[in-house]
Amino acid sequence: GAVVSQHPSWVICKSGTSVKIECRSLDFQATTMFWYRQFPKQSLMLMATSNEGSKATYEQGVEKDKFLINHASLTLSTLTVTSAHPEDSSFYICSASVSGGGRGYTFGSGTRLTVV
Amino acid sequence: GESVGLHLPTLSVQEGDNSIINCAYSNSASDYFIWYKQESGKGPQFIIDIRSNMDKRQGQRVTVLLNKTVKHLSLQIAATQPGDSAVYFCAENDASGSRLTFGEGTQLTVNP
Repeated sequence: GAVVSQHPSWVICKSGTSVKIECRSLDFQATTMFWYRQFPKQSLMLMATSNEGSKATYEQGVEKDKFLINHASLTLSTLTVTSAHPEDSSFYICSASVSGGGRGYTFGSGTRLTVV
Repeated sequence: GESVGLHLPTLSVQEGDNSIINCAYSNSASDYFIWYKQESGKGPQFIIDIRSNMDKRQGQRVTVLLNKTVKHLSLQIAATQPGDSAVYFCAENDASGSRLTFGEGTQLTVNP
C-alpha cells in the first residue's frame, strides 16, 4: 500500500531558529500534500494544502510566512517552521493524496517539535 | 499551545466487549467519511470508510454506520482487544475532495 515517510520523528530546537520537516511519498506520486498540526489531547487541524509546483493554500489563521511549505516534486513536500517559539511546539503530521485531493489519504508518522 | 479546558471524550470497555464510538459531523455537503485510529506519538491509521450513498459498511471486526439525516457517524468494534486502545477520529470530505476535516476524537481504553 501507499507509504508516506515523515522525517524527523522528533526535533528539539532553540527559540528563534528554524526547523524543516520532510514528507515523502515512497511508492506513489502525490499531487497534493496536506500539513496538519495537533496539540495534546486535541484533534488534527489542517494548516495548509500544497499542490506540486504551485503555492500552498493556507487555512485561516495560519501564517504563511512562518510556516513555509515547498512541494517541489511529486514525492516531496517540506514544512519549515521559521523563527520557532515555544508556542509552536506541537505534533506536525503530513498527508498525501494520490489524485489531487481525492479519496485516498495516507498519513506520515508525525514529527514532535519541541521549542525550548 | 494547548487550549485550556479541552480534553478528549473517553470510552472504557472490557476486553471482549463491543465498542461503539460516535461522531457528529457538521457539513451536510460531506459525502465521504473515514475513521482513523491514532496511537500515541503516531500518525492516523486508516480503519474504514463509507460514502454517503451507503448507510452501513463492514470490515474486519469493524462496522461503520452513517445517518445522514442527523449527520451522525458511528464506529463499532467487535470483540475489543487491548491493542484497540487508541484515539479514534472520524473525518469528513466534501465532494470536491480538497479538504479532510477531523472530528474531536475519542480515547478508547480497553481493560484486560
